[in-house]
Amino acid sequence: SSELTQDPAVSVALGQTVRITCQGDSLRSYYASWYQQKPGQAPVLVIYGKNNRPSGIPDRFSGSSSGNTASLTITGAQAEDEADYYCNSRDSSGNQMGVFGGGTKLTVL
Amino acid sequence: EVQLVQSGAEVKKPGESLKISCKGSGYSFTSYWIGWVRQMPGKGLEWMGIIYPGDSDTRYSPSFQGQVTISADKSISTAYLQWSSLKASDTAMYYCARKKTFVNSGSLIDWFDPWGQGTLVTVSS
Repeated sequence: SSELTQDPAVSVALGQTVRITCQGDSLRSYYASWYQQKPGQAPVLVIYGKNNRPSGIPDRFSGSSSGNTASLTITGAQAEDEADYYCNSRDSSGNQMGVFGGGTKLTVL
Repeated sequence: EVQLVQSGAEVKKPGESLKISCKGSGYSFTSYWIGWVRQMPGKGLEWMGIIYPGDSDTRYSPSFQGQVTISADKSISTAYLQWSSLKASDTAMYYCARKKTFVNSGSLIDWFDPWGQGTLVTVSS
């Protein structure tokens, strides 16, 4: 399969921990990358590979992977973390583009 | 600073042609793949295609093969996305993004960073 599956919506209380998951066969072979998109803005890379954060991304964001599932964890969610989150990996064919998950809308209560 | 700067918003009529651009700066433009992503109103991200400006190797998602053309002019560090005959269903935000790849302990890691600011294309009669 060349698909990545994400829960459409997740909510978390302010200051609590939330995990956003991404499932797909390609994740058994390739690492995921994660993107945050706020309304009216371009996506921003937040996690790539096993658990790498680009410069400027707070350390409350972390990544993990097991089997066919990749996870993005936000430890101590802040109001500014409310956004859509997308996972991406190469698809099973190894295509240079890859495939996106459908996205998860994170609400911080 | 590494950045991708896209051309401005476009309003077109069905059947018209269009070419939008994505100019890279702050890095070796010919050494990294550049991908194009569609985001229809209120929807998620979709990969359209990707190009390696160094040799113009281009790949398309099956959903977009034959619908768009991706090209690059390495002399001016610019990638392009073009349509020969727009449809109302092409109304969307279009992003370009640079791909980096790393192999760690035999596992391949891809990521896309940075992204352009997006080009809004509106097709309406």
